[in-house]
Amino acid sequence: GQNIDQPTEMTATEGAIVQINCTYQTSGFNGLFWYQQHAGEAPTFLSYNVLDGLEEKGRFSSFLSRSKGYSYLLLKELQMKDSASYLCAVRDGAQAGTALIFGKGTTLSVSS
Amino acid sequence: EAEVAQSPRYKITEKSQAVAFWCDPISGHATLYWYRQILGQGPELLVQFQDESVVDDSQLPKDRFSAERLKGVDSTLKIQPAELGDSAMYLCASSLDRKETQYFGPGTRLLVL
Repeated sequence: GQNIDQPTEMTATEGAIVQINCTYQTSGFNGLFWYQQHAGEAPTFLSYNVLDGLEEKGRFSSFLSRSKGYSYLLLKELQMKDSASYLCAVRDGAQAGTALIFGKGTTLSVSS
Repeated sequence: EAEVAQSPRYKITEKSQAVAFWCDPISGHATLYWYRQILGQGPELLVQFQDESVVDDSQLPKDRFSAERLKGVDSTLKIQPAELGDSAMYLCASSLDRKETQYFGPGTRLLVL
């Protein structure tokens, strides 16, 4: 089966660092994506990993271990505007299409 | 910056009525996806197009849902008849090609009464 797990909620303080974990079990694997979604808005693309290792982009970094079926999103120097839901998504690669399989999202609340 | 356009942004309808949503992808994007997102859940695929052809509609409830992308550009998703359980956010996404990053539109929030 296909399963993507991530924590439901996390809280953090402005200026801190937070790590959001994601584990996945899919038939195939052709890349892992992280999206940010503010309440009532569309998901916006944050990062993409297809090979093992760390991808850094400004305050955001994403890590992938394919052998462990594991990824994390690291957010540094947290700001209030980072309060949002963070969606982990996998492109299965074993299906006819190339649609993403999403986790339920992690709601991050940043307080001052 | 190019964006995916969707309309309407909000739609309230009564059950058994017909509703239609429209999506205009980023110019030049060959692949178009319709996802449905229930509150508190992640988006789930309804249908994927490559140009004007359907690539994957295995999760589309075909007894009531239909989708088309006649000229391989914009797309319409229709529900007839709408049911209470169809209340959700309908998201359109596009990508340059199948294995490229998907970019989402603002979504249509549907409420069925």
